Amino acid sequence: EAQVTQNPRYLITVTGKKLTVTCSQNMNHEYMSWYRQDPGLGLRQIYYSMNVEVTDKGDVPEGYKVSRKEKRNFPLILESPSPNQTSLYFCASSLTGAKLFFGSGTQLSVL
Amino acid sequence: QKEVEQDPGPLSVPEGAIVSLNCTYSNSAFQYFMWYRQYSRKGPELLMYTYSSGNKEDGRFTAQVDKSSKYISLFIRDSQPSDSATYLCATRLSIQGAQKLVFGQGTRLTINP
Repeated sequence: EAQVTQNPRYLITVTGKKLTVTCSQNMNHEYMSWYRQDPGLGLRQIYYSMNVEVTDKGDVPEGYKVSRKEKRNFPLILESPSPNQTSLYFCASSLTGAKLFFGSGTQLSVL
Repeated sequence: QKEVEQDPGPLSVPEGAIVSLNCTYSNSAFQYFMWYRQYSRKGPELLMYTYSSGNKEDGRFTAQVDKSSKYISLFIRDSQPSDSATYLCATRLSIQGAQKLVFGQGTRLTINP
């Protein structure tokens, strides 16, 4: 089954404790992206990757890192999480960058 | 001003009604227009995708784009309770190989049986 898999689904952490949210797709898509979704603000792009070793900032990249060492994986790294990064995060992939396939989301709470 | 504006609702209509969801965008360079549907606690899923001005129909759903007015719409005919979800419009453009995809805030829709 074609899918985008994110882990974990729920995560509660404390300020400053590094964390990684994993994302994997099995569709051989070149394009992958991370979004955060906040009430009243909709989906905002954090980072995206056009291909292996090619990443670029989206609209809200501050406080996040990504890497794209393999085509299927695109982890999101929070080196020192802060409470304002509490949000619902989605990973997405696409063949071209337009028709996105989304994961099920990761609800992150930073205390 | 946000690049894509969408009324967040909520919107509540009776089953069988025609639903109209709308977005406006500010950048005339946007080339592609999409509607995503998001059920509670799920990721968004692509519903409609269009490139040009005009209408595109898929079953009970019709996407309409008016590039001259920078206005995009989604119409749902014979609405069903299973259509209850948040609907997000999105637009995309390519700039020197980079992809810029911008979403509206989403409209929460409830179809009442």
